[in-house]
Amino acid sequence: GQNIDQPTEMTATEGAIVQINCTYQTSGFNGLFWYQQHAGEAPTFLSYNVLDGLEEKGRFSSFLSRSKGYSYLLLKELQMKDSASYLCAVNRDDKIIFGKGTRLHILP
Amino acid sequence: ETGVTQSPTHLIKTRGQQVTLRCSSQSGHNTVSWYQQALGQGPQFIFQYYREEENGRGNFPPRFSGLQFPNYSSELNVNALELDDSALYLCAIRREVNTSSYNEQFFGPGTRLTVL
Repeated sequence: GQNIDQPTEMTATEGAIVQINCTYQTSGFNGLFWYQQHAGEAPTFLSYNVLDGLEEKGRFSSFLSRSKGYSYLLLKELQMKDSASYLCAVNRDDKIIFGKGTRLHILP
Repeated sequence: ETGVTQSPTHLIKTRGQQVTLRCSSQSGHNTVSWYQQALGQGPQFIFQYYREEENGRGNFPPRFSGLQFPNYSSELNVNALELDDSALYLCAIRREVNTSSYNEQFFGPGTRLTVL
């Protein structure tokens, strides 16, 4: 994934909080996306961070540190429907490049 | 609903054949990107078109080519198909620059290509 790294799999419990990390190479960086993808479906947009800091959207929050080449997606009050792959993608020189994704398993 | 459609939904081809996949959008956009997604992997960037010109390409050979048309539709063509070309092919569009949603990239549902 062109130096975009995220864990392959994670497991969490319904109702809990989980943080999915992403690190990336900073050259040509313009912004960072997070997408959710359920099995057999297309990715759906969750967030886009351009500036440092935390952006909150309901149960989902995304954080960016440009100097560290680091982002995380925070999911609160986990629900079974949150079982999916979460894709970190970097806008690099106006091209959007994806990591390999993190498969999140939610246990009841 | 993203307003992005792709056809066909599924396709089976044999090695050596050629395939054309299509993508269209209901509303204006100026950038369309194509991705290949193998099972269990993230989408791999194939190329991108801006106002009908290719303006970026990933690590894919020249037998992968594309077109973008003035009516918001786009094509991905793959020649001399190989077994490893079996994957989900996704197109994604970005809206016009002067809208607040420019930075959102909307995906179509994808075309599942199987090469036998």
